[in-house]
Amino acid sequence: NAGVTQTPKFQVLKTGQSMTLQCAQDMNHNSMYWYRQDPGMGLRLIYYSASEGTTDKGEVPNGYNVSRLNKREFSLRLESAAPSQTSVYFCASATSQETQYFGPGTRLLVL
Amino acid sequence: GEDVEQSLFLSVREGDSSVINCTYTDSSSTYLYWYKQEPGAGLQLLTYIFSNMDMKQDQRLTVLLNKKDKHLSLRIADTQTGDSAIYFCAERTPGAGSYQLTFGKGTKLSVIP
Repeated sequence: NAGVTQTPKFQVLKTGQSMTLQCAQDMNHNSMYWYRQDPGMGLRLIYYSASEGTTDKGEVPNGYNVSRLNKREFSLRLESAAPSQTSVYFCASATSQETQYFGPGTRLLVL
Repeated sequence: GEDVEQSLFLSVREGDSSVINCTYTDSSSTYLYWYKQEPGAGLQLLTYIFSNMDMKQDQRLTVLLNKKDKHLSLRIADTQTGDSAIYFCAERTPGAGSYQLTFGKGTKLSVIP
């Protein structure tokens, strides 16, 4: 099992460009999550998906969209990147009763 | 709303015990977690405790939970240089069809050889 995988590992964007961060899990988990991590702020939940076909906003959803493509994949899209979206993005997955397992992260720099 | 507080830094000597403290606010929390993050890596689950327990021990790790005071601690015995990392406390709260984790800002543990 690869667990939770994320692509790309690193990305540099110019302000206004768009991109999609990909996440996949092979643990047959129902729930998937997107977080951002900023210095001194801990992890903040952007969006989550309790099951295939559903998505819900977290603490900081503005400027992002998500798609739960199937049970394995949950993508995060930035339609028009802003410097404030420079961050490290983590995807996580879990069953309804178990703990969350995290991917290795995507480091995004918006110039 | 939920809030999880941790001190930001802790420095200990190799071989000593480390104690990382955390306070949380949501009394409906069912599970509390400790995650470890090494530089440039994702979060690794260390241990967790169910809210009806007072203590959980797992090798060098001991978790203590004081539900009355909403206080959680992680003790690492015989701290090693490989334990240097950021440690996050998190509480689990119910969400729509799922659950959410609320994280503290993390405690950076530095181990002095």
